[in-house]
Amino acid sequence: EAGVAQSPRYKIIEKRQSVAFWCNPISGHATLYWYQQILGQGPKLLIQFQNNGVVDDSQLPKDRFSAERLKGVDSTLKIQPAKLEDSAVYLCASSSPRGGNTIYFGEGSWLTVV
Amino acid sequence: GDSVTQMEGPVTLSEEAFLTINCTYTATGYPSLFWYVQYPGEGLQLLLKATKADDKGSNKGFEATYRKETTSFHLEKGSVQVSDSAVYFCALAPLAAGNKLTFGGGTRVLVKP
Repeated sequence: EAGVAQSPRYKIIEKRQSVAFWCNPISGHATLYWYQQILGQGPKLLIQFQNNGVVDDSQLPKDRFSAERLKGVDSTLKIQPAKLEDSAVYLCASSSPRGGNTIYFGEGSWLTVV
Repeated sequence: GDSVTQMEGPVTLSEEAFLTINCTYTATGYPSLFWYVQYPGEGLQLLLKATKADDKGSNKGFEATYRKETTSFHLEKGSVQVSDSAVYFCALAPLAAGNKLTFGGGTRVLVKP
């Protein structure tokens, strides 16, 4: 079974530029998550989708971050404009009740803002 | 709100040594508890979990017991290998929070030959 796919793996941008990350969850997983992991810290949930609806986006900085999952499968996370403090690893994850709701993570997209 | 506190690293050990990583939590009710591991250059992987008090999760020689009375979920392994070098994260998910994970800050473990 293929895991959670993310791209790009690495991205370096200048502050005030924009960036987008893509995620394809495990096939059949209705729940998709985006986490932000700043170096030396644990991951923090940004947004959670159930199919194409948002379940929790309480910690998403909505003035600059947006995310969508239009067809209930893959998802895109966008940052515009980026700030230096957005430098982090952006982790996508998915889960399904059939899998005991275990959350499976992708390898992450490493963002450096200079 | 919910929170997880785990011992800061790095923890440096020799091969075959005993490993303990302390984890305590604050949460309303009785959350599920998890240990995730992140090997260099890889994503987070679920190592083990426990869903109720006194449950013991185990995997790859690692164990952790859900202790409600001390709100703890310490990770242990009796004999570590170089391949266990990684960052370990303790996490919780409240039953009523839609499977939302709250993580601790992570503990880096380095095992030397």
